[in-house]
Amino acid sequence: QQQVKQSPQSLIVQKGGISIINCAYENTAFDYFPWYQQFPGKGPALLIAIRPDVSEKKEGRFTISFNKSAKQFSLHIMDSQPGDSATYFCAASPEGGKLIFGQGTELSVKP
Amino acid sequence: ETGVTQSPTHLIKTRGQQVTLRCSSQSGHNTVSWYQQALGQGPQFIFQYYREEENGRGNFPPRFSGLQFPNYSSELNVNALELDDSALYLCASSLGSGRGSTDTQYFGPGTRLTVL
Repeated sequence: QQQVKQSPQSLIVQKGGISIINCAYENTAFDYFPWYQQFPGKGPALLIAIRPDVSEKKEGRFTISFNKSAKQFSLHIMDSQPGDSATYFCAASPEGGKLIFGQGTELSVKP
Repeated sequence: ETGVTQSPTHLIKTRGQQVTLRCSSQSGHNTVSWYQQALGQGPQFIFQYYREEENGRGNFPPRFSGLQFPNYSSELNVNALELDDSALYLCASSLGSGRGSTDTQYFGPGTRLTVL
């Protein structure tokens, strides 16, 4: 019930393409769903986050789609660039402050 | 940059030793959370401190302990180190209310701990 399942584990996309990463959760008490980007040797950096009262949020090239009934949410990266190559983590929070992370997706954008 | 700093950057210890990791929060933040990230895994929640009090704990043994100081900086202490404690330790600061609301967490660069 406390898990967040993320897929795929790795993803290769051509420059200019769309990268899509999916996450699923079980606990309906989760009320906050952020996505983090992590480069090797660095801490995770917040990309974009959504709460369950909206179905989509867009910030620049990054969009979160949220399906409350299916208990799924996804990250779309439009016009993917080589600089987007990193590991992406979805997360969910069942209560104040505690983030439960997915296993991560290693994205490689080929020039 | 998030304004969250951690020290040291890297640390090598031997099994059975004790270690203290430090974190300085982003200015104005009153909440610190600590996470353990094993190689190739997502971060796992260790515990959180809100205004110097522990405000939630993950599934970690008591040999993992922490402190938060009046200036909201924080320490993570690990006693009796085991090989499996080798990981990247991350702290994240946020402006919390301590009442269950979820606030954006900003992560530091982490401390890489190696236990031999």
